[in-house]
This record gives sequence, structure tokens and C-alpha cells, in this order.
Amino acid sequence: SQQGEEDPQALSIQEGENATMNCSYKTSINNLQWYRQNSGRGLVHLILIRSNEREKHSGRLRVTLDTSKKSSSLLITASRAADTASYFCATDRYNTDKLIFGTGTRLQVFP
Amino acid sequence: DVKVTQSSRYLVKRTGEKVFLECVQDMDHENMFWYRQDPGLGLRLIYFSYDVKMKEKGDIPEGYSVSREKKERFSLILESASTNQTSMYLCASRTGRGANVLTFGAGSRLTVL
Repeated sequence: SQQGEEDPQALSIQEGENATMNCSYKTSINNLQWYRQNSGRGLVHLILIRSNEREKHSGRLRVTLDTSKKSSSLLITASRAADTASYFCATDRYNTDKLIFGTGTRLQVFP
Repeated sequence: DVKVTQSSRYLVKRTGEKVFLECVQDMDHENMFWYRQDPGLGLRLIYFSYDVKMKEKGDIPEGYSVSREKKERFSLILESASTNQTSMYLCASRTGRGANVLTFGAGSRLTVL
């Protein structure tokens, strides 16, 4: 089944540094979303980018989308220890209502 | 504050037992979903429901069934639990078809012995 693949699987940085996570997917999409999951909890929606958009910002988050390469990136600027979590991309299969998640990137931000 | 509530955070069951995982949302959402989450595999869709009494199979429905008798409640049923169903189960909902963003519950961690 279609699934996004996040890269890297794990990322460790110091507070204040930027964190970049990448997502690749396989088929045409209507939109791509990023979610965050704190350890052992449910997922929380962060940002959605539509297939006709190339870049979107929300606070310290910047998302880019390249539909020709079927890839997206999530940049967290000036990271904080509280950003420590797993981050997932999710895509909707074109012409379906199914939202398919990737395998996630585990981000550790050290104080 | 809108919510998706999963009735049990942790369950321990024995092989062969029938298991019910309950999910309730208070947002009047039409669509509800059940995912399971396993290390290295991400979230995989088990079943989803567009509306009351409607259900569709996701990518891994084998060994599971669902029930949606009321709009706010979506139940996942393991008819005869097996050890390979040990996992984190996540329920989610959204407004309706064409809507995109999911609201998740906190998850139910099931261990089958």
C-alpha cells in the first residue's frame, strides 16, 4: 500500500538548532499533512499543504512540497526541548478518503 | 475543548479472548478511523467509517471488525485476540468527506499474552 517514508528515522540536535525532516510518497495526492506525536500519545495535526502549494509557514514550522519529486520537508526553526517528539507525514490517496501515514522521524532536542 | 476519547489506555488480554476497543468523539464528526501503530511500520489503517452503520476496510482489516451504531461511537473488535495483535491502537475522526485534518485519541495500548 502507498505509504510515506520519512527521512531520517531519528534526529538528535541541540536547542536552538534547526531540524529538517523529509517525506517521500508514491502516488498523486490532493494534499500532504504533518503530525506530531509525543511519546505514547495520540497524534496532533501541525500543518497541511495542498498539492498546488509549494511552501507554507506556521510559526516556527516551514513545510515545502515538490510534487514532481513526490517529496515534502518539514523545517522546525530554533528548536526547543519541548519539540522532542515523533513527526509523521500523511497523504491522501488521490480520489480516495484514506489518509496514509509514513513511518515517522523521531526528533530529540537536547537542552 | 473537542475530544476523541478512547476508553482504555492500557489493556492486557489472553490469546483467544474477544476484545472491544471503544472510541467516542464529541465533535459531531461523520468520519471515524482505526489505525494500529507498530515500531518501524508507522500507522496502518484498519477500518474507517464514513457515517453511522457504514464501514470500509483499510489496509489491514484481517482479524478485526468494527461497529458504528451511533455517530459518536466507533468500536474496534478483535473476535479472537492473537499475540500479533499486540500494538498501539489509535482512533481518529474528522468532519466529513473532503475534510482533511484528523483529530486523534490518546491511544490504547493492547498486550495479548
